[in-house]
Amino acid sequence: GAVVSQHPSWVICKSGTSVKIECRSLDFQATTMFWYRQFPKQSLMLMATSNEGSKATYEQGVEKDKFLINHASLTLSTLTVTSAHPEDSSFYICSASLRTGGIQETQYFGPGTRLLVL
Amino acid sequence: LAKTTQPISMDSYEGQEVNITCSHNNIATNDYITWYQQFPSQGPRFIIQGYKTKVTNEVASLFIPADRKSSTLSLPRVSLSDTAVYYCLVGDNTDKLIFGTGTRLQVFP
Repeated sequence: GAVVSQHPSWVICKSGTSVKIECRSLDFQATTMFWYRQFPKQSLMLMATSNEGSKATYEQGVEKDKFLINHASLTLSTLTVTSAHPEDSSFYICSASLRTGGIQETQYFGPGTRLLVL
Repeated sequence: LAKTTQPISMDSYEGQEVNITCSHNNIATNDYITWYQQFPSQGPRFIIQGYKTKVTNEVASLFIPADRKSSTLSLPRVSLSDTAVYYCLVGDNTDKLIFGTGTRLQVFP
């Protein structure tokens, strides 16, 4: 249980194009999903928190017009990198929050999406 | 949000027990402690989560002292496949988790 998938697993695109990444919780409903970015040899950096049916909350320094997040249902969130540039090349990881008991919640992570912008 | 501090790296040999300690001096009453494992080019994998005392599952144990200002992840009899980065996170049901640097564990044959 608690499986999170991402699609695509990797993508190569030209500079200036937009790329959409899907995150799905396969066997549970997640009221909250998160998007992270990870550069080589670095830790995960939280980009935004996404709640179903409402606007995402972005971390400081993350451009909301650049990284569009849509949380259409309790099992699907999408991240669109608009007008991608080489500096957007990174490993993008989503997670979904599952309530495991009382107020206890656990985040389960997707496998990640490797984006390379040429 | 509680900040965590972990050793940057650790070395071990196959078959040994590995203990990774995490400090979280400012942990709040509602915070849980969660450990993740990450392999290169993969998303973090949930290992174990606890609130106090000791938690054990099929892969690890988590020891949390009474003051909860630290926690120790214990991996029994590690193998080469346990070479990875291990992250300790604390958070409450407001959900936001901030990743620290993690501990890079290298297991040697």
